[in-house]
Amino acid sequence: KNQVEQSPQSLIILEGKNCTLQCNYTVSPFSNLRWYKQDTGRGPVSLTIMTFSENTKSNGRYTATLDADTKQSSLHITASQLSDSASYICVVSDRGSTLGRLYFGRGTQLTVWP
Amino acid sequence: EADIYQTPRYLVIGTGKKITLECSQTMGHDKMYWYQQDPGMELHLIHYSYGVNSTEKGDLSSESTVSRIRTEHFPLTLESARPSHTSQYLCASSAGPFTEAFFGQGTRLTVV
Repeated sequence: KNQVEQSPQSLIILEGKNCTLQCNYTVSPFSNLRWYKQDTGRGPVSLTIMTFSENTKSNGRYTATLDADTKQSSLHITASQLSDSASYICVVSDRGSTLGRLYFGRGTQLTVWP
Repeated sequence: EADIYQTPRYLVIGTGKKITLECSQTMGHDKMYWYQQDPGMELHLIHYSYGVNSTEKGDLSSESTVSRIRTEHFPLTLESARPSHTSQYLCASSAGPFTEAFFGQGTRLTVV
């Protein structure tokens, strides 16, 4: 069964600190892995998208890693800001259909305190 | 910022009413999607479209219907709303099946 599991479910950190969010998946055949940021009551916004051959991709203070062999990904946030408070969703796309079906994790709810 | 728009942002209606949630994109994307999301839960695909005159049901069974008469427009309709339809509805589009998906801001629907 194709699944995406994220941990931790929630996380509280102080402003300026770093944090790492985890994503494990069983989606096969794999096409790409995406990290989205979703503010409360808003639609998800893409942070990174990585294919099988990419190990690391950065977007400002966000750095995503991918280990396609172990089917794990992480999202590292550096020097957190209050505006980083949001849900971070790991999404994996399969290439087994013409739709390129997306499988969503439940997200990690990050809260940054001043 | 993505050029995909949903209206209304919030909607509170009574049971039995017919409603249409609007979704429009100006990126010329062929593929469009509707997702349903409950608080703290993952997004579930309820409808998708490959292009004009193409609509398919998604993974999560839904009593809603969709239409795709124009590339840029993908409305979702509930003929008779019920409290079980209370949820957030997210519209998305992409240029291709394996490319980035852009999401609208969502419609928070409450049926009382």
